[in-house]
Amino acid sequence: SAVISQKPSRDICQRGTSLTIQCQVDSQVTMMFWYRQQPGQSLTLIATANQGSEATYESGFVIDKFPISRPNLTFSTLTVSNMSPEDSSIYLCSVVRRQIRLAGGLETQYFGPGTRLLVL
Amino acid sequence: LAKTTQPISMDSYEGQEVNITCSHNNIATNDYITWYQQFPSQGPRFIIQGYKTKVTNEVASLFIPADRKSSTLSLPRVSLSDTAVYYCLVGYNAGNMLTFGGGTRLMVKP
Repeated sequence: SAVISQKPSRDICQRGTSLTIQCQVDSQVTMMFWYRQQPGQSLTLIATANQGSEATYESGFVIDKFPISRPNLTFSTLTVSNMSPEDSSIYLCSVVRRQIRLAGGLETQYFGPGTRLLVL
Repeated sequence: LAKTTQPISMDSYEGQEVNITCSHNNIATNDYITWYQQFPSQGPRFIIQGYKTKVTNEVASLFIPADRKSSTLSLPRVSLSDTAVYYCLVGYNAGNMLTFGGGTRLMVKP
C-alpha cells in the first residue's frame, strides 16, 4: 500500500480566490493523479501528474483553472484557481503502486484522504 | 476502456452476507477486476483484486465466472461500519483503471 497525506483536509474559501492542495507520498512514485468528487457523485479524473513533464488534463479540465506541479517523485500540488461555488468538491490525489505479489506486477491505485473544499 | 455497471444502491442488515455484482461485458484479456470501498469524507480504499475464479482476503471475497463478464464482491456478516460506496474498476495498468463508475451505495441497518 501507500501512505498519502493531503493538506489542507478541508477549507472554506471565497469566490474568486485560489487554493493550493498538497499531496505527499511516503515513497517515490512515478504516476500521481488528481480527482474531483462532487457532492453525491463518483470520482472524476482531473489530470495525470508525472514528474518531469507537464500534467495531462482530461476533457473538461484546463491548466489555467487547475494548474498542477510535480517537483519530485513524492510530492504534487493542485491549485483550484478563481474559484466559484461550482468548485465545491472533494479533491483527491492518488498514486499507483505495483502489486509485487501478483504475477505480472499489476498496478493498483491508492488514494489520499481528500481535501474537502467549500466555496462561498 | 471496459465500462462497468453496478446497482446504484443496496440495503442489508447487520450479520447478513452482502453480494454486490458488477457487469463488465467488454473486459479485455489482460484486465483485472478491482474493488474499492469509500466512506463519507474519505478517499477510496482498495479492498480486493482478482483475475478469475475466486479471491479471498481478510475483508471480502471476489467471485469471477469463467467468461469474466461480471464479478461479485461478497462481504460476509456485514456490520454498520460497512456502510459505504463500493466501486468496481476493470483494467490492467494505471492508464486504463482511472474511470470510476457510479458505484453501489450499501446501507447496513441494525
